[in-house]
Amino acid sequence: DGGITQSPKYLFRKEGQNVTLSCEQNLNHDAMYWYRQDPGQGLRLIYYSQIVNDFQKGDIAEGYSVSREKKESFPLTVTSAQKNPTAFYLCASSIGYRGQGELFFGEGSRLTVL
Amino acid sequence: KQEVTQIPAALSVPEGENLVLNCSFTDSAIYNLQWFRQDPGKGLTSLLLIQSSQREQTSGRLNASLDKSSGRSTLYIAASQPGDSATYLCAVTGANNLFFGTGTRLTVIP
Repeated sequence: DGGITQSPKYLFRKEGQNVTLSCEQNLNHDAMYWYRQDPGQGLRLIYYSQIVNDFQKGDIAEGYSVSREKKESFPLTVTSAQKNPTAFYLCASSIGYRGQGELFFGEGSRLTVL
Repeated sequence: KQEVTQIPAALSVPEGENLVLNCSFTDSAIYNLQWFRQDPGKGLTSLLLIQSSQREQTSGRLNASLDKSSGRSTLYIAASQPGDSATYLCAVTGANNLFFGTGTRLTVIP
């Protein structure tokens, strides 16, 4: 079945470590996104990519990095520079960018910093 | 900047009741509005997408309406079931971004 796969589902990190969250989609979508969700807050955009080898910062990109080497993959690295990384991270994709088409989400990855 | 508000933050109803969830937004220059469902600890599941030129969309027991001029959307759930218990979020797509509300947590009591 087509969809978005995020891994790992749960991840624990020590302070000062970088971690990478995986996001793979087989929907043949051009656009991919990373969101962060914190309790009581709406989703906040970290990074987005409209096409392979191109990506743009969202509202809260500091302390994060991404790559888009393949259409189906958009990994997110949470670096040690991110001051408060404990959160639920959601990857999404759409056929086109923003207004073009429905947004689909993965099941999320919960990161906890020890 | 676009602001999306969902009131109430939480709602409890008895099984079988029809209910309406509300979503309001401040900037009417939108491309589309999407309703999502989120179960605890899970990702978002798309329920309905309404393009800016449309006034409503229906899927099964769900009906979503859009009134751009007043900056409002409603999600109508008919004959609610305990399995409908979840958090419902709306998201508005504008020229520069996609804006999410903080959601309404629905509990349907058997």
